[in-house]
Amino acid sequence: AQSVTQLGSHVSVSEGALVLLRCNYSSSVPPYLFWYVQYPNQGLQLLLKYTSAATLVKGINGFEAEFKKSETSFHLTKPSAHMSDAAEYFCAVSFTGGGNKLTFGTGTQLKVEL
Amino acid sequence: EAGVTQFPSHSVIEKGQTVTLRCDPISGHDNLYWYRRVMGKEIKFLLHFVKESKQDESGMPNNRFLAERTGGTYSTLKVQPAELEDSGVYFCASSQDGVWNTDTQYFGPGTRLTVL
Repeated sequence: AQSVTQLGSHVSVSEGALVLLRCNYSSSVPPYLFWYVQYPNQGLQLLLKYTSAATLVKGINGFEAEFKKSETSFHLTKPSAHMSDAAEYFCAVSFTGGGNKLTFGTGTQLKVEL
Repeated sequence: EAGVTQFPSHSVIEKGQTVTLRCDPISGHDNLYWYRRVMGKEIKFLLHFVKESKQDESGMPNNRFLAERTGGTYSTLKVQPAELEDSGVYFCASSQDGVWNTDTQYFGPGTRLTVL
């Protein structure tokens, strides 16, 4: 069965430090991959998505993710964390033949400290 | 352009009562989705409408849940009777095309349901 795993339910970084949020997937068919962010009291907002074009995907707010088929990973990175990046981040996948439904990971709460 | 809206934002009910959640998608979006997040768990798919038709309802937990989308505009999700395990945040999302798996789904802020 297809699934998504996010390693680390809570990640804490210092302002200005590298942000790395991990996502691994399990799939027997090519996946489409998404990262969403949820700020307090708001809906999920799409950060970026991989659609089988370029393996390095750039998103909003300086985030990017790289699809690595050999590692079945789609980790999210940002070179320099900002206080405003504090939020919950969700990795999600959809699968060819699986309809349009998204399968989510359990989420990673990012804390940014001064 | 208005985003996806959901009403109410919070609902607290007693076990056995009925609750109806409403979702208004982005205007012009034919595809509407319901998801649920039980505390501490992942967000899980419930069902997918294309206009007024149920395209995929494989995630609906049981027959106490009834989703409708009359006229292909807003949607309601009714839980009757509510049980303790129904507590969680219910998200609605909409998308324009829905043909491809890469179609972006736009999410509402969610309705937090608490069943006591």
